[in-house]
Amino acid sequence: DSGVTQTPKHLITATGQRVTLRCSPRSGDLSVYWYQQSLDQGLQFLIQYYNGEERAKGNILERFSAQQFPDLHSELNLSSLELGDSALYFCASSARDGGSPLHFGNGTRLTVT
Amino acid sequence: GQQLNQSPQSMFIQEGEDVSMNCTSSSIFNTWLWYKQEPGEGPVLLIALYKAGELTSNGRLTAQFGITRKDSFLNISASIPSDVGIYFCAVRSGGSNYKLTFGKGTLLTVNP
Repeated sequence: DSGVTQTPKHLITATGQRVTLRCSPRSGDLSVYWYQQSLDQGLQFLIQYYNGEERAKGNILERFSAQQFPDLHSELNLSSLELGDSALYFCASSARDGGSPLHFGNGTRLTVT
Repeated sequence: GQQLNQSPQSMFIQEGEDVSMNCTSSSIFNTWLWYKQEPGEGPVLLIALYKAGELTSNGRLTAQFGITRKDSFLNISASIPSDVGIYFCAVRSGGSNYKLTFGKGTLLTVNP
């Protein structure tokens, strides 16, 4: 158990809808990272937050947004969903802004129909 | 963007055999990592390499950071059924964050 909790485990929704994925980092970790895993693209970095502030952005679509709250949990919001957004979404946390390894949650499997 | 070439894509081996997989890049990196992902779970860090030429072991796993800083390999000795999973190499981007770029993975199947 990595200590990173992601909910829900599975999510099925229709095109055009909006969903929110939630992540609770390991106790004491200040950094949260979001990754998308799909068969064709592999694991792709989306965005990182550190202590509530956005720190780095990857290949995140404009339809996607995230935030980290004062209690350090994070949410990834996906809107105007398309079939191609179906994927596994992982959250990872680390103790510091850099230099400490990432610990991944078990992911949220999103299916857009 | 940065791309890692990981090979082989998949491996089917018998229990007890040794396994080797590798990862190459056209760019130089200062940190190479190896992760394992099992079905229904997130990637788990196996080995982290921070210095060119470094050889690090974790039980039956051994990984090396290439001297050119553009490649790394992972060896698994005397494989067992629970070694089944997808193995990913990853590199850390520079700067103050810990953004990782992952290879496409090697799917390992071990026949008992």
